[in-house]
Amino acid sequence: GAGVSQSPSNKVTEKGKDVELRCDPISGHTALYWYRQSLGQGLEFLIYFQGNSAPDKSGLPSDRFSAERTGGSVSTLTIQRTQQEDSAVYLCASSLSGGSGDTQYFGPGTRLTVL
Amino acid sequence: AQRVTQPEKLLSVFKGAPVELKCNYSYSGSPELFWYVQYSRQRLQLLLRHISRESIKGFTADLNKGETSFHLKKPFAQEEDSAMYYCALSLNSGYSTLTFGKGTMLLVSP
Repeated sequence: GAGVSQSPSNKVTEKGKDVELRCDPISGHTALYWYRQSLGQGLEFLIYFQGNSAPDKSGLPSDRFSAERTGGSVSTLTIQRTQQEDSAVYLCASSLSGGSGDTQYFGPGTRLTVL
Repeated sequence: AQRVTQPEKLLSVFKGAPVELKCNYSYSGSPELFWYVQYSRQRLQLLLRHISRESIKGFTADLNKGETSFHLKKPFAQEEDSAMYYCALSLNSGYSTLTFGKGTMLLVSP
């Protein structure tokens, strides 16, 4: 079946604008994760969903960042009033149940550039 | 808080040479350890995990709890092994949020 998909693949925006990034997980996967990959910082965890709930949002860097998941499927990561330091590749991953030994399957990422 | 350290940003070897990518972690409990790999223009994917004790593409990794290490090894590197390698840790606490190291770029030259 299809893997994790993300859209858009690239997004260029101006400082101060809001952006929405979308993730479609593998069908049937209850767990969904957002990570950020930036130069010098590596891969950082942002938020974890189990179904439509987010039991761990400890990685969101500021209140400008928010995410939701609807229908236990698609998730949207929203960044308000973007700043240049938000430029990064945003990765989404899903796993079957979210257990500690689960394999996470990653999407291709959305490259965000804030001018 | 847990932490994963990969001391080498870049490791360059010749084809056929042995490879060891280092990974150390800090966590007081018993974590799950993983190696993820990202080949050029491909998405991040799982290479292996310590609980499986498996060998994938000739790579192995042994968890050393005394040294808190999970080094990735391959006896004879191939050009197709060139990629970015990330060591990751998952707390054994019910769900599998990953803490990643900053990655090591492996370049295998002919």
